Amino acid sequence: SQQGEEDPQALSIQEGENATMNCSYKTSINNLQWYRQNSGRGLVHLILIRSNEREKHSGRLRVTLDTSKKSSSLLITASRAADTASYFCATDDINTGGFKTIFGAGTRLFVKA
Amino acid sequence: GAGVSQSPSNKVTEKGKDVELRCDPISGHTALYWYRQSLGQGLEFLIYFQGNSAPDKSGLPSDRFSAERTGGSVSTLTIQRTQQEDSAVYLCASSPGTGSFYGYGYTFGSGTRLTVV
Repeated sequence: SQQGEEDPQALSIQEGENATMNCSYKTSINNLQWYRQNSGRGLVHLILIRSNEREKHSGRLRVTLDTSKKSSSLLITASRAADTASYFCATDDINTGGFKTIFGAGTRLFVKA
Repeated sequence: GAGVSQSPSNKVTEKGKDVELRCDPISGHTALYWYRQSLGQGLEFLIYFQGNSAPDKSGLPSDRFSAERTGGSVSTLTIQRTQQEDSAVYLCASSPGTGSFYGYGYTFGSGTRLTVV
């Protein structure tokens, strides 16, 4: 089963609105990452949050991490049509030495102009 | 190089044939990863390399799949006797160190879309 699972599976919003995506995972982690994928090809690394951090910002992105609930959220503020993509959370598993990163199934975000 | 390069970008092969997929990571990146993504799905972990060593091959779907890395650089993923269920996008990524333990994000290539007919 997936280590990280995103929610919702798909999200459609108007340009200018905020988009929130959630991720749940199962095991203890060192870090959690968020990636974006356009057109089913290569993923782009967005942000990494460490297990001892609770919140992190990068431009219009805000990521939170709650290790007690094993969950994270990605907030994109003031969305743009160019934000249309699939977003994946990714976690390592310290029980495997943290040497591999497991990706969830992703949230498809569609931003309407 | 400036980014992770994968070749070919697209490959159509007949069922039963062998294919080789190539990944050229960012220069100096010691860690290299292979993932597989079926249409509309998440990424399935296949294998990772630290240098030329592959400590964890547990993600390889069957013994038809193998991978190697030489010189701590280029990696080749080989699929023997391809089957239709092997059709997917194969993604390669590299990072300065192994996994996310040290806080390194991955840099992905654009992938190889494999279609087995």
